[in-house]
Amino acid sequence: GNSVTQMEGPVTLSEEAFLTINCTYTATGYPSLFWYVQYPGEGLQLLLKATKADDKGSNKGFEATYRKETTSFHLEKGSVQVSDSAVYFCALRGDYKLSFGAGTTVTVRA
Amino acid sequence: DVKVTQSSRYLVKRTGEKVFLECVQDMDHENMFWYRQDPGLGLRLIYFSYDVKMKEKGDIPEGYSVSREKKERFSLILESASTNQTSMYLCASSFSLDTDTQYFGPGTRLTVL
Repeated sequence: GNSVTQMEGPVTLSEEAFLTINCTYTATGYPSLFWYVQYPGEGLQLLLKATKADDKGSNKGFEATYRKETTSFHLEKGSVQVSDSAVYFCALRGDYKLSFGAGTTVTVRA
Repeated sequence: DVKVTQSSRYLVKRTGEKVFLECVQDMDHENMFWYRQDPGLGLRLIYFSYDVKMKEKGDIPEGYSVSREKKERFSLILESASTNQTSMYLCASSFSLDTDTQYFGPGTRLTVL
């Protein structure tokens, strides 16, 4: 079956630091890949997505590239802000269903 | 913007009670989903619906049922709440099953005592 593994947190960073959250997946076929973000007290919001190999999704300074050869979709941001503190979920959609990773809690300190 | 609303942000119920969680979307989406979110486990799909009165089990349907009488509304029902159903419940909707993004509501934090 489909599954997603993402790096465990929590992750604590200082403002302007570089952020990477690793995500790897197992899937049959050609899944679409997503990063969702959950800010404190809110539901999940789509951050970015990629639908085929070598696609790069980007939004709000975050980027992730769909790497089929390494089955990865790592999330990166070059300079984080306090407002980026949130829980980040990697997900894939194989057929109709989203499969989520466990989530990574990121805290950015001023 | 798509808006998905859930009837309660916080809910406290007693073991054995029947619990209804309501979700409404305003974008005429065909598909609606119920997930539960637990620390270290991410989100797990309970049920989804691809049309009015149609439903499919997700990964963890035991102890839950759903109802979709109108296109915009999808209800999750706990027939007899138990303490292991204490969790965050998230509703989502999407236009199509195989190509579209899912849009999430703010969640309901349910505590069963």
